[in-house]
Amino acid sequence: AQKITQTQPGMFVQEKEAVTLDCTYDTSDPSYGLFWYKQPSSGEMIFLIYQGSYDQQNATEGRYSLNFQKARKSANLVISASQLGDSAMYFCAMRGIGSEKLVFGKGTKLTVNP
Amino acid sequence: NAGVMQNPRHLVRRRGQEARLRCSPMKGHSHVYWYRQLPEEGLKFMVYLQKENIIDESGMPKERFSAEFPKEGPSILRIQQVVRGDSAAYFCASSVPWSGNSYNEQFFGPGTRLTVL
Repeated sequence: AQKITQTQPGMFVQEKEAVTLDCTYDTSDPSYGLFWYKQPSSGEMIFLIYQGSYDQQNATEGRYSLNFQKARKSANLVISASQLGDSAMYFCAMRGIGSEKLVFGKGTKLTVNP
Repeated sequence: NAGVMQNPRHLVRRRGQEARLRCSPMKGHSHVYWYRQLPEEGLKFMVYLQKENIIDESGMPKERFSAEFPKEGPSILRIQQVVRGDSAAYFCASSVPWSGNSYNEQFFGPGTRLTVL
């Protein structure tokens, strides 16, 4: 079974600063993928970034980067130069090889202050 | 290229009524997934379907819930005799057939917010 833990129910950051959202996971699969999604107040799920368990480098997508520490089973999302529009819920998710279903954490609510 | 479409966006039902949620996958996608998001929670997997086949329904409640993805038309998530606890956001996602890579992006629809009075 797979499990995602997001221990920060809420986070606050000043505009233009960087913020790290924590995600730890548990799985017995030898190969898996980790995903981050953003859910603004409008409700849709927006894919942000993906990290494969065998990827040699940490994933980056624009202002988003993933701090992947396999031995610690953590996949933290780093948002650089925060913007007001980054205020939203952020969900970490994973999927094992051979499984089509995504397993989500409970999310972190990020608030960016001006 | 339209994304995943869900309708209705909002649905209000009284206890005991039936709720039908529809999902049209992205063009070229043959795999559909349904997830449920209870208030203040993350999304939880319900069911995975391909055309005319249910592949994995391990997350579906045993009673009152059913899903289908017919050869023609949208995927339907059906909830019979709704109860207050069914109030949630129901998301549909679609993807192309899995090629063996853990990265097989699921594209999400906007969700249907079900409220049971």
